[in-house]
Amino acid sequence: GQQLNQSPQSMFIQEGEDVSMNCTSSSIFNTWLWYKQEPGEGPVLLIALYKAGELTSNGRLTAQFGITRKDSFLNISASIPSDVGIYFCAGPFLGSSNTGKLIFGQGTTLQVKP
Amino acid sequence: DAGVTQSPTHLIKTRGQQVTLRCSPKSGHDTVSWYQQALGQGPQFIFQYYEEEERQRGNFPDRFSGHQFPNYSSELNVNALLLGDSALYLCASSKDQFSSSYNEQFFGPGTRLTVL
Repeated sequence: GQQLNQSPQSMFIQEGEDVSMNCTSSSIFNTWLWYKQEPGEGPVLLIALYKAGELTSNGRLTAQFGITRKDSFLNISASIPSDVGIYFCAGPFLGSSNTGKLIFGQGTTLQVKP
Repeated sequence: DAGVTQSPTHLIKTRGQQVTLRCSPKSGHDTVSWYQQALGQGPQFIFQYYEEEERQRGNFPDRFSGHQFPNYSSELNVNALLLGDSALYLCASSKDQFSSSYNEQFFGPGTRLTVL
């Protein structure tokens, strides 16, 4: 079945560094979503991507929809301590770009050292 | 503008019992989805409700059932609880399927269920 694989599994970086993480699948996706989850909270939607090759920014965050439609990337520039959390990629199940039935990657845990 | 709200925040039950979790969607949203998130994992889709009917279902047994009310709020019911049902249960709301942002789901804080 469809799976989303995120890498790296975890990252421990120094404040001020840039961060890159990615999400890959063996299946094509028509929508990519990036969420951040902090302890004790639900995931918060950061960026939504709808078109192959699309590059979208939200403050210091930039995400890209891979041109093969099988991957997506998230970059965080000049990390700060409040960037700490688990970052998930997600997309709708195969068969329709508009199912509303999301599958999630296993997450990338980010820790930032002040 | 209130976001997605869930109650209760925490719940402890014993094996074999039944539990009901509640969710109110974000203002302007009429579709509610439920997810189960085990420790260290990403959320897994349970089912989705629209117009008071279950529209889609993930790979969960019939012990998991739900309901949506006319005001779009929703309940998740789990019968005959097992130890493995211990997890964070997340509710997410979105606009209807005819909206271009249908897949953009907004999550509540979750209900932490512990089964002893």
